[in-house]
Amino acid sequence: GENVEQHPSTLSVQEGDSAVIKCTYSDSASNYFPWYKQELGKRPQLIIDIRSNVGEKKDQRIAVTLNKTAKHFSLHITETQPEDSAVYFCAAQGDTGRRALTFGSGTRLQVQP
Amino acid sequence: NAGVTQTPKFQVLKTGQSMTLQCAQDMNHEYMSWYRQDPGMGLRLIHYSVGAGITDQGEVPNGYNVSRSTTEDFPLRLLSAAPSQTSVYFCASRSTDTQYFGPGTRLTVL
Repeated sequence: GENVEQHPSTLSVQEGDSAVIKCTYSDSASNYFPWYKQELGKRPQLIIDIRSNVGEKKDQRIAVTLNKTAKHFSLHITETQPEDSAVYFCAAQGDTGRRALTFGSGTRLQVQP
Repeated sequence: NAGVTQTPKFQVLKTGQSMTLQCAQDMNHEYMSWYRQDPGMGLRLIHYSVGAGITDQGEVPNGYNVSRSTTEDFPLRLLSAAPSQTSVYFCASRSTDTQYFGPGTRLTVL
């Protein structure tokens, strides 16, 4: 089955700096890669996603890049703000028949004011 | 439109007890799933369903049962609770791509 690794596990940045979180996946057939943000005690919320036929996608201060050859994808947050502090999860859809999402272990991002 | 709802929000069980976590969605999604979330381990898939009457195992199915008699409901049953099942449980439903999570159930097994 699919295996997703996520790094780093914790990330601390100063307000206004950029943050980058990286994930690798194992199943070359994976075709959908969402990113979720989870605030303390809350449910995961989708913030951006990308399909395998696209190399990059941007939505205001967040962007995701995908390198299918290397089987890795990254989340980029620019001009970070304290409200960006949360745990971020990457995921990959490995088996198109099951359509199941396999999640990375999460990155705790702390934005220092 | 309530989205994905889960009950209860909190539950404490004793080892060996059984219970059912409820999940419902009003978005007419065919695909529903259950995850457990443990510290440092992300979200792990327990069971999923691609439609009414169809269920299958995920990554960590042992100790859990599911059924899907309607499109709206997808209950998760713990047959004989164990301390290792202490976790936060999220139900999710999905359209073509976007997956929506319920608010979660925090379960403690003593």
